[in-house]
Amino acid sequence: GDSVTQMEGPVTLSEEAFLTINCTYTATGYPSLFWYVQYPGEGLQLLLKATKADDKGSNKGFEATYRKETTSFHLEKGSVQVSDSAVYFCALSDQGAGRRALTFGSGTRLQVQP
Amino acid sequence: NAGVTQTPKFQVLKTGQSMTLQCAQDMNHEYMSWYRQDPGMGLRLIHYSVGAGITDQGEVPNGYNVSRSTTEDFPLRLLSAAPSQTSVYFCASRLGITRDEQFFGPGTRLTVL
Repeated sequence: GDSVTQMEGPVTLSEEAFLTINCTYTATGYPSLFWYVQYPGEGLQLLLKATKADDKGSNKGFEATYRKETTSFHLEKGSVQVSDSAVYFCALSDQGAGRRALTFGSGTRLQVQP
Repeated sequence: NAGVTQTPKFQVLKTGQSMTLQCAQDMNHEYMSWYRQDPGMGLRLIHYSVGAGITDQGEVPNGYNVSRSTTEDFPLRLLSAAPSQTSVYFCASRLGITRDEQFFGPGTRLTVL
């Protein structure tokens, strides 16, 4: 079945540091890939997405590139801020499964210190 | 436009009690779903619906019932609560099954004693 594996957290960085959160996936079809962000006490919000190989999703300074050859979708940001502190979820939607739902990774907590 | 709303925000139950978690959306979305979030496990799909009158099971449906009588509402019922159902529950919706972006409610934190 489909699965998503994320690096374990928490990840603790100083403000303006470079961020990478690793995500790899397995899927039977041709998935769309997503990063969602969850701020404390809130629901999940879509951060960015990519729907085919070599697509790059970007939003709010975050980027992730759909790498089919390595089945990866790593999240990056060049300079993090305290306001980026949140839990980040990698997810996929598999066309082969009828896209009925998202398959989520376990989440990575990011803590940014001033 | 309120998006996806959930009530209550917090709930404490005793083992064996029943309750209904409410979910509503005002975006005219066909597809709605319920997830539970447990530490270290991401979100797991409980039930979903592709339109009014149509529901199906997800990954972890046992102990939960759903119905979809209107496009807007998708309540989740716990028939006889168990401590294993202590979790945070999220409702989500999207325009259609082929439209990927899901919109999430703020969640309900449930504790079963």
